[in-house]
Amino acid sequence: QVQLQESGPGLVKPSETLSLTCGVSGYSISSGYYWGWIRQPPGKELEWIGTIYHSGTTYYNPSLKSRVTISVDASKNQFSLKLSSVTAADTALYYCGRRSSSGYFDYWGQGTLVTVSS
Amino acid sequence: DIVMTQSPDSLAVSLGERATINCKSSQSVLYSSSNKSYLAWYQQKPGQPPKLLIYWASTRESGVPDRFSGSGSGTDFTLTISSLQAEDVAVYYCQQYYSTPLTFGGGTKVEI
Repeated sequence: QVQLQESGPGLVKPSETLSLTCGVSGYSISSGYYWGWIRQPPGKELEWIGTIYHSGTTYYNPSLKSRVTISVDASKNQFSLKLSSVTAADTALYYCGRRSSSGYFDYWGQGTLVTVSS
Repeated sequence: DIVMTQSPDSLAVSLGERATINCKSSQSVLYSSSNKSYLAWYQQKPGQPPKLLIYWASTRESGVPDRFSGSGSGTDFTLTISSLQAEDVAVYYCQQYYSTPLTFGGGTKVEI
C-alpha cells in the first residue's frame, strides 16, 4: 500500500521560504511515476503546484513557477517543495501525491496546514 | 489554462436517491487520437485528503463502489451516485489532466 506523509513547519513568516517534505512508503520513487504537490487555501478549491518525475524532470504551475522548486531524494524515498517569498495568500493545506503518467493523482498524503503569519 | 466549472455548488439528496454533479471544461479535454477524455473525479470527506473515484471520465478506480459512475466527453461531464449512502457525504471535485497547469473544479458539496 502506497503511503505519503507531508512534514515541515506549520508557521512561516511573510517573505520567507516555505519548505515541505513528502516521505513515501510502500513504493520506491526510483521505480517510476510522477510525484506532485497540490494546495488548498481555506475554503477554496484545489490548486496544482507542480510535479516531478523520478528522474528529476519538473513541471510547475506558471502562476507559481518563479517561486517554486520541487526536488527528489531517491535515496531517502522522498521529495520536497520550496516556495519562496511567501505571503498570507500562500496559507493553505498542502498535499503531496502520486501522479499517474496520464495526470490524475491516485495516492494523496493527509495534508499539512501551513500558515503564513508574522 | 483550462477552467473547470462545477454545478451545483451544493445539493441535498435523500438516502437511496440519485445525486448528479456536473463539470464543464472551458475547452475540450478529449484527445481524438485515443478517444479518451482526460477527466478525473475525487471525493473529499471532512478532514481527509481527496480520494480518486473516476479517471478517463468513466473508469472507476479499484475499490470504488459501483454506485459511483462517470459519464461525458469533450467539455461536459457528470458524476452520478445512483443510490446515496450516508458515507457519501463529501465534497466532490473534477480535475482535467489534458494539459498543464492541471486544474480542478470548485467542488460540489453533497449532503443528506
